[in-house]
Amino acid sequence: DSGVTQTPKHLITATGQRVTLRCSPRSGDLSVYWYQQSLDQGLQFLIQYYNGEERAKGNILERFSAQQFPDLHSELNLSSLELGDSALYFCASSVDGTVGNEQFFGPGTRLTVL
Amino acid sequence: AQKITQTQPGMFVQEKEAVTLDCTYDTSDPSYGLFWYKQPSSGEMIFLIYQGSYDQQNATEGRYSLNFQKARKSANLVISASQLGDSAMYFCAMSGGLSYNTDKLIFGTGTRLQVFP
Repeated sequence: DSGVTQTPKHLITATGQRVTLRCSPRSGDLSVYWYQQSLDQGLQFLIQYYNGEERAKGNILERFSAQQFPDLHSELNLSSLELGDSALYFCASSVDGTVGNEQFFGPGTRLTVL
Repeated sequence: AQKITQTQPGMFVQEKEAVTLDCTYDTSDPSYGLFWYKQPSSGEMIFLIYQGSYDQQNATEGRYSLNFQKARKSANLVISASQLGDSAMYFCAMSGGLSYNTDKLIFGTGTRLQVFP
């Protein structure tokens, strides 16, 4: 158990819908990352937050947005869902977001868009 | 741009033997970190080992060691005395250097390791 929690574990929805994925980092970790793992794109970095502020953006679609709340939990919002958005979405956290710190991964949310 | 390359889609190894999983990387930054993660069929990502670009010694963690050859830009993972439970997908990853204001991870495509009795 990494200490990072993600809910829900599985999500099945239809095209055009909107969903919210939730992540609670390890206690004391200030930095939260979102990654997408799909068959065709592999593991891709989406976005990073540090202590409530966006720090870096990766290949995140405009239909996707995220935020980190004052209690440091984070949410990833996916809207106007398409079949290609079906993937495993990971949240990870680290102490302070500096190079060399291990990123602890949550168990992931498996999103299926039908 | 930073890039990680894993050229072995799949590897087989017999139980109790050692195996090396290859990883090469590309970066122009002098400061970076290299990671290996294991992803079993259950899907979770498990951290195995870390090597910093300025570390003089190769990293070791139990049966895992990282063969870091900076000049060749390679960071191969060596698993000694393989066990059946080592069967999984293995990802090499890199985190950014000084020119990046983030330690986001860039992953390779992974190597599927199968350990047979």
